[in-house]
Amino acid sequence: GAGVSQTPSNKVTEKGKYVELRCDPISGHTALYWYRQSLGQGPEFLIYFQGTGAADDSGLPNDRFFAVRPEGSVSTLKIQRTERGDSAVYLCASSLTRGARETQYFGPGTRLLVL
Amino acid sequence: GQNIDQPTEMTATEGAIVQINCTYQTSGFNGLFWYQQHAGEAPTFLSYNVLDGLEEKGRFSSFLSRSKGYSYLLLKELQMKDSASYLCAGADYNTDKLIFGTGTRLQVFP
Repeated sequence: GAGVSQTPSNKVTEKGKYVELRCDPISGHTALYWYRQSLGQGPEFLIYFQGTGAADDSGLPNDRFFAVRPEGSVSTLKIQRTERGDSAVYLCASSLTRGARETQYFGPGTRLLVL
Repeated sequence: GQNIDQPTEMTATEGAIVQINCTYQTSGFNGLFWYQQHAGEAPTFLSYNVLDGLEEKGRFSSFLSRSKGYSYLLLKELQMKDSASYLCAGADYNTDKLIFGTGTRLQVFP
């Protein structure tokens, strides 16, 4: 089937604005992860879901960041009052089930630029 | 917690062999992943090692030594298309998370 998809592929916004980033996981994958990747760095964990619930949100940098997965499939990462430091590539990944040994399959990412 | 270390950059020649090293420190080690990431693209899965030893998959092989906290990715018969970043990631069974290194940017020259 199709891989992980993310929309939009690019997002330019102004400081202080609100943005939503969407992730469509591989069909049947119950675990979904969000990462942030800055230039020249590896992906940095933000939050992950098992089904509809956030199993671990310890990587969210502050309360401006929030993510939901209401029906256990599509997830939305929401960023309020964006700051220039939020500029990065936001990657989504899914795996068949929860567990660090499960292979994660990544989407192409959303490149966020906050002016 | 976990700490993953790998070189920032490496260069090699087309047709050659290159070894990318990764050392890790972890409190709940549950295996080590290698991903390939071309510029502007998603990371793609290459290998997973949880037991000591070498696993070969075509031109790519991955090695793990749990006692030394060490892994490497071996790329043989290098091709220009192998120019990419190679990400080492440790799996933590305490948190069910992957911890990524900064990635090793490999440039292959003709």
